[in-house]
Amino acid sequence: AQTVTQSQPEMSVQEAETVTLSCTYDTSESNYYLFWYKQPPSRQMILVIRQEAYKQQNATENRFSVNFQKAAKSFSLKISDSQLGDTAMYFCAQTQGGSEKLVFGKGTKLTVNP
Amino acid sequence: DGGITQSPKYLFRKEGQNVTLSCEQNLNHDAMYWYRQDPGQGLRLIYYSQIVNDFQKGDIAEGYSVSREKKESFPLTVTSAQKNPTAFYLCASSIIGTSNEKLFFGSGTQLSVL
Repeated sequence: AQTVTQSQPEMSVQEAETVTLSCTYDTSESNYYLFWYKQPPSRQMILVIRQEAYKQQNATENRFSVNFQKAAKSFSLKISDSQLGDTAMYFCAQTQGGSEKLVFGKGTKLTVNP
Repeated sequence: DGGITQSPKYLFRKEGQNVTLSCEQNLNHDAMYWYRQDPGQGLRLIYYSQIVNDFQKGDIAEGYSVSREKKESFPLTVTSAQKNPTAFYLCASSIIGTSNEKLFFGSGTQLSVL
């Protein structure tokens, strides 16, 4: 079974600083997609960033970027210039079985302190 | 505006009772999904459907049932066989066959047992 592991249950960072959230995954598939989702206190799931496994270039969306290490099966999320609105649960996810189904990690609770 | 609507926002179930959670989308998406979220557990897939009148079990389907009579609608019934139904339920949808574009999520239903 495919698994996604987020080893940091909770993290905190000072406003304007940079923080990196870790994610590792396990798959035997050659092509798959990786995602980071944000869930603020409203509990609405919001897509942060998406990475296609066959692309070597790391995805970037404004202050959010990933470090995708395919051989190591690692997919970390870097948040630069952290803002108070970044406070949320962050979930790493991977497509399953060549479909759009996602397998999620257990999440990292990020708190941005003023 | 296009999106996914889940109702109700909060739902209470009495012991031995079946309850149905509604999920409607006007995005013209083919695929729809139900996820369950427990504290510290991330999201786990209950059922999914890629076409009308067809659906498949996810990782935790026991005690749940679904139907897909219309493309727009994918209701989830939590039956009395589900002994621990208290959780946050998220419905999602996606396009099929477009390089795994993102899931669109509803705002969720919190189910509690009286």
